[in-house]
Amino acid sequence: AQSVSQHNHHVILSEAASLELGCNYSYGGTVNLFWYVQYPGQHLQLLLKYFSGDPLVKGIKGFEAEFIKSKFSFNLRKPSVQWSDTAEYFCAVSNAGNMLTFGGGTRLMVKP
Amino acid sequence: DAGVIQSPRHEVTEMGQEVTLRCKLISGHNSLFWYRQTMMRGLELLIYFNNNVPIDDSGMPEDRFSAKMPNASFSTLKIQPSEPRDSAVYFCASRSGTYGYTFGSGTRLTVV
Repeated sequence: AQSVSQHNHHVILSEAASLELGCNYSYGGTVNLFWYVQYPGQHLQLLLKYFSGDPLVKGIKGFEAEFIKSKFSFNLRKPSVQWSDTAEYFCAVSNAGNMLTFGGGTRLMVKP
Repeated sequence: DAGVIQSPRHEVTEMGQEVTLRCKLISGHNSLFWYRQTMMRGLELLIYFNNNVPIDDSGMPEDRFSAKMPNASFSTLKIQPSEPRDSAVYFCASRSGTYGYTFGSGTRLTVV
């Protein structure tokens, strides 16, 4: 069975600080990787996804993530966060059977 | 506009009552997923369908939970009888093509 671990449960940053959220997965086969964002009271929105090719993936709102196969990692990064990035971030993995499994989420608070 | 439409947005019910959550998929999407989100457990996959057929319902917590997909565009999740521990936000998501998932806005269920 596949699983996803997000080690940072809560992150507090000041505006303009750099962000990196960790995501590790366990699955022996081919996976597809996702990062979703959930703003307070809203539904999940896709930030970016990795299927194949360039392991450095660029998403919306200045976010990017790097797939490192040897480390089973897919960390999310943003060079300079804004107050509007305050949200919960979920890493997810999908296997060949298309079942999407989520990590526990990381709550990001950006102080103005 | 999330594209996937869930109703109701909020539901407050008394313990023991039957609750039915509804989800309308985006036209042309062939897979549907029901998730439950709580503070304690994060996002849990309850059940998913491919082409109207339930594929994996191992996440359904108890026999009190049941899900149906009577046609290609609509699904229901029923809880009977409901209990306070069922209080959560329930999301449905649909998928089309290769791993394109879209989430609904969720139903916030409170069982008192």
